[in-house]
Parts: sequence; structure tokens; C-alpha cells
Amino acid sequence: GAVVSQHPSRVICKSGTSVKIECRSLDFQATTMFWYRQFPKQSLMLMATSNEGSKATYEQGVEKDKFLINHASLTLSTLTVTSAHPEDSSFYICSADRSGGAETQYFGPGTRLLVL
Amino acid sequence: KQEVTQIPAALSVPEGENLVLNCSFTDSAIYNLQWFRQDPGKGLTSLLLIQSSQREQTSGRLNASLDKSSGRSTLYIAASQPGDSATYLCAATQGGSEKLVFGKGTKLTVNP
Repeated sequence: GAVVSQHPSRVICKSGTSVKIECRSLDFQATTMFWYRQFPKQSLMLMATSNEGSKATYEQGVEKDKFLINHASLTLSTLTVTSAHPEDSSFYICSADRSGGAETQYFGPGTRLLVL
Repeated sequence: KQEVTQIPAALSVPEGENLVLNCSFTDSAIYNLQWFRQDPGKGLTSLLLIQSSQREQTSGRLNASLDKSSGRSTLYIAASQPGDSATYLCAATQGGSEKLVFGKGTKLTVNP
């Protein structure tokens, strides 16, 4: 099966610092990766679509300068939360698309971010 | 814009009971619809994927149906077990894109 990993699984940081989250497809190449955010008792909300070698596409209401996405290779996408604030505390989940269709989105285990 | 709604928000049943979880979506122009399981504090486990041309998919004790015309999908769980306790999420693609729109989920508790 296709495996997607995320690192770290959990991070606690001080307000104002930046946090980088990695999403890796371990046994397949992903031309597209997606980043989602999930607040407690809420559904997953798509933040941005990351395409290898090009700029990410952000959903309405998501600040691209605050949530920096880099998809430098076919197996790695990173999400950097810059100048994190307590309201950024959430569960961040990535998914990787193996062949360009939604049927092949494989989800990572998620990263729990707590900003103090 | 696609919107996905799941009813009920929570469900508690005794072990062994058959149950149905409901999902509705507003835009019938979907590529596919998926059902996921999420355990507390964990990521997603894909359960079933139904292509837009299909009406149902089965895996073990799980059966998912899709009715595009009415904008509805159901997840049927047979002979429920305590290990089935989790939140079940429904997600539909948005229009002509591969983006997934998720419902808020149904939290299922199966009591021994």
C-alpha cells in the first residue's frame, strides 16, 4: 500500500516562532499533495494544494504568507507556519496524490500543533 | 461550492447491531465519494471509495452506497463491534476538481 508520513507528530511552540511540518510519500511519487487543517470537533478543511516544482494554490481565506508551502521533490512537501499564534493550534494533515486523481489520495497521520 | 453534511453527529449502539451512517452533498458533479475512519487524535483511514459511475462498494462488514441524483451516500456497518468505535468521515470531490470536501463526521460508539 501507499504510505504517507508526517513529521513531527506533535509539536509545542511559543507564540511568534515558526514551525515546519514535513509530509513524505514513502513508496510512491506524488505530483500533488494537499494540506488540511482540522479544529476540534470540526471537519477537515483544505488549506492548499501543493504541486511539485510550482507554487501552491491556497484556498480562500488561507494566508499564503503565513502558511508557506514548499514541494521541492516528488516525495516531500513542507508546511511552515510562520509567526505562529495560539489560534493556529490545530491538527494538520497532509495527503499525497499518486496519479493525479482524487481516488489516489493517501493521508498522513497528522501533526498536532499547540502554540502557547 | 460543494457542501457535505453528515447525520447523525453522534451515534451509540449496542454490540452486534447493524447501523447506517448518512452523508449528503450539494453538488452532484462529483468524481467520487469516500468514507474514512478517524480514531481520536489520529489521521484518516480510508474505508471505501465509490466512483461517480458506481452505486456501491463493499469491504467486509462495510457497504457504502451512492445516489448522485439525490446527493446522498450511506455507510452500512453490519454486526458492529466495539472496535468500530471511531469518527466516520464522508468526503466528496468538489465539482470538476480533485479537491475533497469533508463532512463533520459521525462519532460512533459501539457498547460491549
